[in-house]
Amino acid sequence: AQTVTQSQPEMSVQEAETVTLSCTYDTSESDYYLFWYKQPPSRQMILVIRQEAYKQQNATENRFSVNFQKAAKSFSLKISDSQLGDAAMYFCAYRRGENTGTASKLTFGTGTRLQVTL
Amino acid sequence: ETGVTQTPRHLVMGMTNKKSLKCEQHLGHNAMYWYKQSAKKPLELMFVYNFKEQTENNSVPSRFSPECPNSSHLFLHLHTLQPEDSALYLCASSLWTGDGYTFGSGTRLTVV
Repeated sequence: AQTVTQSQPEMSVQEAETVTLSCTYDTSESDYYLFWYKQPPSRQMILVIRQEAYKQQNATENRFSVNFQKAAKSFSLKISDSQLGDAAMYFCAYRRGENTGTASKLTFGTGTRLQVTL
Repeated sequence: ETGVTQTPRHLVMGMTNKKSLKCEQHLGHNAMYWYKQSAKKPLELMFVYNFKEQTENNSVPSRFSPECPNSSHLFLHLHTLQPEDSALYLCASSLWTGDGYTFGSGTRLTVV
């Protein structure tokens, strides 16, 4: 079974600074996807960034980027120029590739609460 | 508006009550999911529906009964719940591909 581990329950960053959230996962599959989701106090889970395992290039979305280390099964999220609106719970998630013949469910980590201070 | 709408937003029910949670999406997605989110625990997958057919039941107690009348609507019928069932219940939808999910804002359920 796949597992996702987020070892940082809480993190804090000053506005305009950079912060990195850690995520590791365990799988025996070679075809899969990794995601970072953000959950603000409004409760809605919002997709931040997505990485395909077969791509060596790290995904980037504006101020958000990942460091994907496939051999180490590590998938960290870097937030640059942090803003007050970035304060939220961040969840790392794993999904098997669509050619594995199984339901493409998401497996989540326990989350990291990010605080952004002035 | 996220594209996935959940109602009600909050629900308080007694252990002998029967209630239903509703989820609706008009994104053209063909898969819908129920997740349970409890404090300090990973999101727990409950049910998966693909083209109205249930493809996964993650050992969920029978007091939770899902219904998917079509690809756009998903219900979770609740009866004889326990206080430990109090949680945020999230609905999501996706295409049957490697895309991420689109989530609703959840129903905060309190069982008293």
